[in-house]
Formats: sequence, C-alpha cells, structure tokens
Amino acid sequence: AQSVTQLGSHVSVSEGALVLLRCNYSSSVPPYLFWYVQYPNQGLQLLLKYTSAATLVKGINGFEAEFKKSETSFHLTKPSAHMSDAAEYFCAVSDGLSGNQFYFGTGTSLTVIP
Amino acid sequence: NAGVTQTPKFQVLKTGQSMTLQCAQDMNHEYMSWYRQDPGMGLRLIHYSVGAGITDQGEVPNGYNVSRSTTEDFPLRLLSAAPSQTSVYFCASSYTQTGGAGYTFGSGTRLTVV
Repeated sequence: AQSVTQLGSHVSVSEGALVLLRCNYSSSVPPYLFWYVQYPNQGLQLLLKYTSAATLVKGINGFEAEFKKSETSFHLTKPSAHMSDAAEYFCAVSDGLSGNQFYFGTGTSLTVIP
Repeated sequence: NAGVTQTPKFQVLKTGQSMTLQCAQDMNHEYMSWYRQDPGMGLRLIHYSVGAGITDQGEVPNGYNVSRSTTEDFPLRLLSAAPSQTSVYFCASSYTQTGGAGYTFGSGTRLTVV
C-alpha cells in the first residue's frame, strides 16, 4: 500500500525567502512521486514528477524536488518565494500499477508574506 | 485543447435529491477517477475506471455510483444527497499503461447539500 505524509498543513515564508514543503511517502515498490499545486477555486496542476530518472527533478515556476530513497522523502523547494506562489500544494505517490491509482497527502497551504 | 471538462461548476441540492456530475476528457485517456476534497483531508478517491466498461471503488464510494460507457465520459451519480456529501469534487484522467503518468484534473464542482 502507498501513503503520503505532508508535514505542516500551513507554511508561511517571506517574499524572497526559501520555500521548503515536506513530503514523506511509503511504498512497497519503487514509487512515482508528484507535486501538484492548487490555486484558489481552481483544479490541481502538475508541478513536477519523479519517475526513476534523475533524483533531482525540476518543475515549473522555479520549483524543484529531490527524491531521497534512504529518507523516503520528496521535499519541494524554491530558492526565492514570490507572492504568486501562495497556494495549496499536494504531494502524491503512485506505484504505476493498480490502474495508476494515486494517493495524495493532505496538502500544505503556503502563505507568502510581503 | 479542452482537457478534462466538469459540469456544473456549482450546485446546491436538497437532502435526498439525486444528481449527476459530468466529466469528459478529450485526450483518449484510459484512466479516469473522481475525488472529493474536504478541508484538512486532502483528496480522497471515490471511484475510478481503467477503461470503458470497467469501474472500481476507491476509498469513499458509499453514496455514489459511476459508469463508463465510453472512453471520454465518466459521470458520477449521487443517489440520495446528504449534507456529508457537501464537498468539492474533482475528476482526473491519465494514461493507464505508462507508469508514472501524471493526472490531468478538471476545474472542479462545488456541491452544497442543504
């Protein structure tokens, strides 16, 4: 079975500061890992994904995430926060089996302080 | 490039009423799914389908029915609406056979049951 834990339901950073959103997963097989972003009153958009190629994955809007198997983590980072980064972020895991079923974390709401 | 289209965007139902949430995709995706999003609980899988004529239950299927008569459409039916079904509903699709394929989400249906 797969599961995802996102540490911190709310994170606040100052504009220009480092963004770090934490995600730990459990998976019985090599996982596929994803980060999605949800802006207010919108659907989820794919930020980036890890599919067993490079462990450091670069996504859209300057975000990146590093897959660390030993720590079962896939934390999302951005060097310098922008006001437009304020949104809800979801980490998800899939084993690529079971019809590509995903398991989502409970989300982290990011606030950017001017 | 419509992607995943959900209708309606907003709906208010009275307890006991039934209704169907529509979902259509034009990407020839085999896999389609329905999630509900509730504060603090992330996204929970209701039902999913790996192809036309095939459906299965997710984490929270009670009170919902689905069918998949075509590749494009995956409607979600509420049999007898209850206040506990007040939520935001998202439809998502992906290619099934390519492991690690990300989901494409619709923009959501905000349902209130009074």
